[in-house]
Amino acid sequence: DIVMTQSPDSLAVSLGERATINCKSSQTVLYSSDSKNYLAWYQQKPGQPPKLLIHWASTRESGVPDRFSGSGSGTDFTLTISSLQAEDVAVYYCQQYYSIPYTFGQGTKLEIK
Amino acid sequence: QVQLQESGPGLVKPSATLSLTCTVSGYSISSGYYWAWIRQPPGKGLEWIGHIYHSGSTYYNPSLKSRVTISVDMSKNQFSVKLSSVTAADTAVYYCARSEPGYSWFDSWGQGTLVTVSS
Repeated sequence: DIVMTQSPDSLAVSLGERATINCKSSQTVLYSSDSKNYLAWYQQKPGQPPKLLIHWASTRESGVPDRFSGSGSGTDFTLTISSLQAEDVAVYYCQQYYSIPYTFGQGTKLEIK
Repeated sequence: QVQLQESGPGLVKPSATLSLTCTVSGYSISSGYYWAWIRQPPGKGLEWIGHIYHSGSTYYNPSLKSRVTISVDMSKNQFSVKLSSVTAADTAVYYCARSEPGYSWFDSWGQGTLVTVSS
């Protein structure tokens, strides 16, 4: 299984400031045949299902604000929120879909400082 | 817009079989996509259980493979999961979700249903 490890486990950021969440996979999720990173990011608010934010490591879903961006390749990835808004308080998860079983990171809890 | 809704018992006895159904609206299961089950123990992270294609092809998490069965009923536009020999460790919110074949990010989710394993 590919193990996904996120850091930090929790993060407190002031409104308007940048938030950065890291995700590291135990093996590459970059598929050589198409040069794509099989990595997605989700946002989960209390009592709600996860919401897909980003796939292919950096492609934002339709309707996701452009303050959310994803970067990285191979085994190291980052989700960045450029200017934190109050509605961004949530737990964020990365997920690899490179190989079965699909696996998620343990989550990063983002709060307002 | 596709909508998914889980249904089933909220309480299951230890050693029994957990059974849940996901009803899909706004999209025909027979048109494609993978249809998945994912669970989340209270206060913990997400675990992919498995998924099914409309053809009936299934893929399971090896950690659960001996206990899980996912099936589809296209006449009702539903898919289901059965998990046998449950223990307290199977207590979780169970989500159904949709993913693109070959690119299994999950773009649509049900609201989830809490299943508690307890006598």
